[in-house]
Amino acid sequence: QQQVKQSPQSLIVQKGGISIINCAYENTAFDYFPWYQQFPGKGPALLIAIRPDVSEKKEGRFTISFNKSAKQFSLHIMDSQPGDSATYFCAASMRSNTGKLIFGQGTTLQVKP
Amino acid sequence: DAGVTQSPTHLIKTRGQHVTLRCSPISGHKSVSWYQQVLGQGPQFIFQYYEKEERGRGNFPDRFSARQFPNYSSELNVNALLLGDSALYLCASSVEGHQPQHFGDGTRLSIL
Repeated sequence: QQQVKQSPQSLIVQKGGISIINCAYENTAFDYFPWYQQFPGKGPALLIAIRPDVSEKKEGRFTISFNKSAKQFSLHIMDSQPGDSATYFCAASMRSNTGKLIFGQGTTLQVKP
Repeated sequence: DAGVTQSPTHLIKTRGQHVTLRCSPISGHKSVSWYQQVLGQGPQFIFQYYEKEERGRGNFPDRFSARQFPNYSSELNVNALLLGDSALYLCASSVEGHQPQHFGDGTRLSIL
């Protein structure tokens, strides 16, 4: 019940294309869903996050879509660029459990020029 | 403004030794969390501290311990190191222990 399942494991997209990464969860007590971007040798950097009271959040080229009934959320990267090549992690937490983030397994994105 | 800083950046130890990793949170942040990231996997929660009190603990053995100091910096201690402890240890800070959390670049620990 504490798991967050992420897919695909790896993704190759052409420059200018749309990258889509999906996550699913079981625990309905989760109330915060962030996406982190990690480059080799660096720590995860917070990209964008959503709470379950909204179905979509957009920040620049990054959009989170959230489907509460299906217990799924996804990250869309529009106009993907080679600089977006990194590993992306979805995560979830519940306020009652303070700061504990439960991460997905990660998706390695490669954007080809 | 400085982000979360961790030291050292790299560390090599042998089995059975102990190690201390250090973390300084973002200025104004009172909570620090520790995560272990094994190569190819997502980070796993180890501890959270807020106002020097342990708020949460993940599924890690008692060889792992941590503490938070009055200036909100934190140490993670691991005793009797095993080969399986080789990982990137990440520290994250937040204002009051909830979200959002901001991560440092980690300490890469290698056990020989």
